[in-house]
Amino acid sequence: NAGVTQTPKFRILKIGQSMTLQCTQDMNHNYMYWYRQDPGMGLKLIYYSVGAGITDKGEVPNGYNVSRSTTEDFPLRLELAAPSQTSVYFCASTLGQAKNTEAFFGQGTRLTVV
Amino acid sequence: AQTVTQSQPEMSVQEAETVTLSCTYDTSESDYYLFWYKQPPSRQMILVIRQEAYKQQNATENRFSVNFQKAAKSFSLKISDSQLGDAAMYFCAYRGYNNNDMRFGAGTRLTVKP
Repeated sequence: NAGVTQTPKFRILKIGQSMTLQCTQDMNHNYMYWYRQDPGMGLKLIYYSVGAGITDKGEVPNGYNVSRSTTEDFPLRLELAAPSQTSVYFCASTLGQAKNTEAFFGQGTRLTVV
Repeated sequence: AQTVTQSQPEMSVQEAETVTLSCTYDTSESDYYLFWYKQPPSRQMILVIRQEAYKQQNATENRFSVNFQKAAKSFSLKISDSQLGDAAMYFCAYRGYNNNDMRFGAGTRLTVKP
């Protein structure tokens, strides 16, 4: 029972480099999310997807891009990494859109931009 | 926009004792859900308990219970008979009309002393 899997778990990037954070889920969930978690702050939504081919911006989308070509995968792309993007990134998924739906999270990717 | 506030950055409790974590939120909506998530050192976010705003009865899950005060917009988590495994960051979260954006508090780090 893998649930939500994120790779890599840790990464150090130099300013201006690009990378893709991978996220895959095996629960056949339609809804997927990317959050970032900064020290002393709650999780903030970067992007979300309600199904394959459909994505939309969250609260803090600047500097990021996403795609959703399959139900299982929801990669997050960082272009021109900046120190402000140093954070822990979480991917999550939910079965549906109902308010009571439990979100399932990956173990996070700790990204440092130097 | 909805906001979630956790005013206790850190709490500690003696093993087998009871501890209460505070959460307040701000919303103009009447229909919403509130959640408590646990984030252990492994970083994997785990749902602890959830509460529907329309239900007056407080939710309970084994040693975890909530005190939901809708008028006061308060949603505290009580952990009874605390165990060493309860040590973690605890996040309060809100999901309302915009179901695609779950709002999180900044978290409370709970330490359990043997």
